[in-house]
Amino acid sequence: DSGVTQTPKHLITATGQRVTLRCSPRSGDLSVYWYQQSLDQGLQFLIQYYNGEERAKGNILERFSAQQFPDLHSELNLSSLELGDSALYFCASSVGGGGWQQETQYFGPGTRLLVL
Amino acid sequence: KNEVEQSPQNLTAQEGEFITINCSYSVGISALHWLQQHPGGGIVSLFMLSSGKKKHGRLIATINIQEKHSSLHITASHPRDSAVYICAVRSDERADGLTFGKGTHLIIQP
Repeated sequence: DSGVTQTPKHLITATGQRVTLRCSPRSGDLSVYWYQQSLDQGLQFLIQYYNGEERAKGNILERFSAQQFPDLHSELNLSSLELGDSALYFCASSVGGGGWQQETQYFGPGTRLLVL
Repeated sequence: KNEVEQSPQNLTAQEGEFITINCSYSVGISALHWLQQHPGGGIVSLFMLSSGKKKHGRLIATINIQEKHSSLHITASHPRDSAVYICAVRSDERADGLTFGKGTHLIIQP
């Protein structure tokens, strides 16, 4: 158990809908990262928040947005869902804002999203 | 050509064998990570490297910055080592700074 929690574990929805994925980092960790893992694209970095502020942005679509709240939990919002958005969405956390060049990340169990 | 290439894509071995998984990259990097993804989907960070060699239990990771190559070795492999092993690099040349390999699917048979 990494200490990172994600809800829900599974989510089934329809095209055009909007969903919210939630992540709680390990106690004391200030950074939260979101990743998408699909069969054709593999793992992709979406976005990083550090202490409530956006720190780095990756391959995140405009239909997707995220935020980190004062209690440091984070939410990833996916809107106007398409079939291709079906994937595993992982959240990870790390202690500081150093990112991949400085810090180990601890991954949550993931949310499996299926868009029908 | 992908910026991060892993080989082999699939590997099946017998319990006890010495395993080597390779990762080659084509960009300048500040760090390389090895991740393990279990059959249930969970991801664990194994190593973070910027130079040299690191060891944790039966796992050893090496990196050669000049040759842009890293290897992950597993000694005395065990069926519980069966997983997908993913190499990821923190690139100096991309704004998002992070590129993943497609993974090596390892199966250790008893």
